[in-house]
Amino acid sequence: NAGVTQTPKFQVLKTGQSMTLQCAQDMNHNSMYWYRQDPGMGLRLIYYSASEGTTDKGEVPNGYNVSRLNKREFSLRLESAAPSQTSVYFCASSERGDSPSGNTEAFFGQGTRLTVV
Amino acid sequence: SQQGEEDPQALSIQEGENATMNCSYKTSINNLQWYRQNSGRGLVHLILIRSNEREKHSGRLRVTLDTSKKSSSLLITASRAADTASYFCATVPYSSASKIIFGSGTRLSIRP
Repeated sequence: NAGVTQTPKFQVLKTGQSMTLQCAQDMNHNSMYWYRQDPGMGLRLIYYSASEGTTDKGEVPNGYNVSRLNKREFSLRLESAAPSQTSVYFCASSERGDSPSGNTEAFFGQGTRLTVV
Repeated sequence: SQQGEEDPQALSIQEGENATMNCSYKTSINNLQWYRQNSGRGLVHLILIRSNEREKHSGRLRVTLDTSKKSSSLLITASRAADTASYFCATVPYSSASKIIFGSGTRLSIRP
């Protein structure tokens, strides 16, 4: 049981390049999330998907796009990378907050360390 | 700005002592959660407390929630070297039960 799998683990981009971060979960969770974490700081929500077919902006969506490809997969795309997007990116998944079990514990991937030069 | 703000930002204590971290938040919540992050790793869920609960225990962890003050605290008793990590509170807003918003975190160091 892999949980949440992110690829790649490390990436270096040049300013202006594009790339897609991939995330997949095998826990049949409805909700998925993308966060960024800058050095010494907490996680900031970029985008989230409450269920398959829906996506919503989080706290810092500018410069990013997402696709909820199916229930398992949620990708994050940087169309034109900027040095300010250098960060560690985490994908997470959880059941919905209003699910019958009431369990919204989030499970995290191991992160993608992205450097934009 | 982030929903949750933790206090203190950093805490260093002797092994065996208790560690207390506080979290304040801004909007009404469905529940509040605490996570731990070891250096360079992903976050791991520790405990969840619902908005209608006031206190919850899990092993050496004790969490309290005061919705009138919009605040929570995490107490780790009898600390161990392995507890050295960053701790984050996270809130699930009442208005959007699928969102999970994290605070800024407390870096806890346990001195042997």
